[in-house]
Amino acid sequence: RKEVEQDPGPFNVPEGATVAFNCTYSNSASQSFFWYRQDCRKEPKLLMSVYSSGNEDGRFTAQLNRASQYISLLIRDSKLSDSATYLCVVNKNNDMRFGAGTRLTVKP
Amino acid sequence: DGGITQSPKYLFRKEGQNVTLSCEQNLNHDAMYWYRQDPGQGLRLIYYSQIVNDFQKGDIAEGYSVSREKKESFPLTVTSAQKNPTAFYLCASKGGRTSESTDTQYFGPGTRLTVL
Repeated sequence: RKEVEQDPGPFNVPEGATVAFNCTYSNSASQSFFWYRQDCRKEPKLLMSVYSSGNEDGRFTAQLNRASQYISLLIRDSKLSDSATYLCVVNKNNDMRFGAGTRLTVKP
Repeated sequence: DGGITQSPKYLFRKEGQNVTLSCEQNLNHDAMYWYRQDPGQGLRLIYYSQIVNDFQKGDIAEGYSVSREKKESFPLTVTSAQKNPTAFYLCASKGGRTSESTDTQYFGPGTRLTVL
């Protein structure tokens, strides 16, 4: 089993849609969690950290369920500029592991 | 400006040659990482280092070697033993102690290695 697994995608949605990505991790001792965004042929960049209480940043909401070892990212009111690959990242003692990523395309 | 630099951006080598990819950071981060990304796939961890003169293997360390003689530098050597070296190589760094789990990881711009 992979350490971090994500929805395979791709997701193709119209502008204004709400889209949700899911991620599961296998190591119950994992300490921190992140969502990164990667544009084509570029390096990944931090989108947001994920906290146990859930956190929101504008149109983006991240949730963590430690009991189920599950992380989610919700994007509301999708914009064309949201088109990218979204990577789930799990950390334990500085050992950072990435999911394979979910590709999102937002269409006009 | 603080950041992570990787050079060169594109690198071509002949099969059977060793090649070393550079990664430098001036963020005063303790931890540094090397990942490999193949087209349409996620990042796979090659090696990481939490402190100078120490490093650990990731999932795909075979055919690669690293050194961490200075805090700022974490070069990766792709050896001739690596069967499929053509890929996008990403270096990253992360600050804070392991207990400061919210510290994020920052990436360099990557090096695209093509072995002919």
